[in-house]
Amino acid sequence: AQSVAQPEDQVNVAEGNPLTVKCTYSVSGNPYLFWYVQYPNRGLQFLLKYITGDNLVKGSYGFEAEFNKSQTSFHLKKPSALVSDSALYFCAVREEAGFQKLVFGTGTRLLVSP
Amino acid sequence: GAGVSQSPSNKVTEKGKDVELRCDPISGHTALYWYRQSLGQGLEFLIYFQGNSAPDKSGLPSDRFSAERTGGSVSTLTIQRTQQEDSAVYLCASSPGGTSGRVQEQFFGPGTRLTVL
Repeated sequence: AQSVAQPEDQVNVAEGNPLTVKCTYSVSGNPYLFWYVQYPNRGLQFLLKYITGDNLVKGSYGFEAEFNKSQTSFHLKKPSALVSDSALYFCAVREEAGFQKLVFGTGTRLLVSP
Repeated sequence: GAGVSQSPSNKVTEKGKDVELRCDPISGHTALYWYRQSLGQGLEFLIYFQGNSAPDKSGLPSDRFSAERTGGSVSTLTIQRTQQEDSAVYLCASSPGGTSGRVQEQFFGPGTRLTVL
């Protein structure tokens, strides 16, 4: 069965510093990977996805993620964090072809301090 | 607005009562999903509708949970005889859908926070 792990419940970073939010996955075939962000009292917003092609995927708000097949990872990154990036981040993997439902990780809270 | 809307935004009910949660997907989206987000948990898939196909109900936790999608648009998630463990945020999402096989992102609504006393 497909699964996603986000090993850190919380990540703290100072504004202006680079940030990384970790995600590893387990699938039987090729993975389709997603990152979503959730701001307080809001629904999830799509950030980026990896389907195929370049391992470095660029998304919204300056975020990017690097797909690493050998390490089964899809870490979210940003070169310079903003206080407004503070939110809950979810990694997700799509199951086998034909099924559009997503399997989500438990989320990582990002806190960016001024 | 053009996004996914859900109502009510908050619902407080007593144990044993039935509740209905509503989702209006983005116009033209044929795929609709319900997820549940419990405190400290990730999002748990509940049910998936794609056009007129039979829904994928594999995530429904018990037979107290059911969902309908009328006219291929609005969906209602019903929880009968609510229990305290049903307390969670229920999120609805939609995507363009279709049979192209293209991998699509899902667009989420703001959720309904359900509290069962």
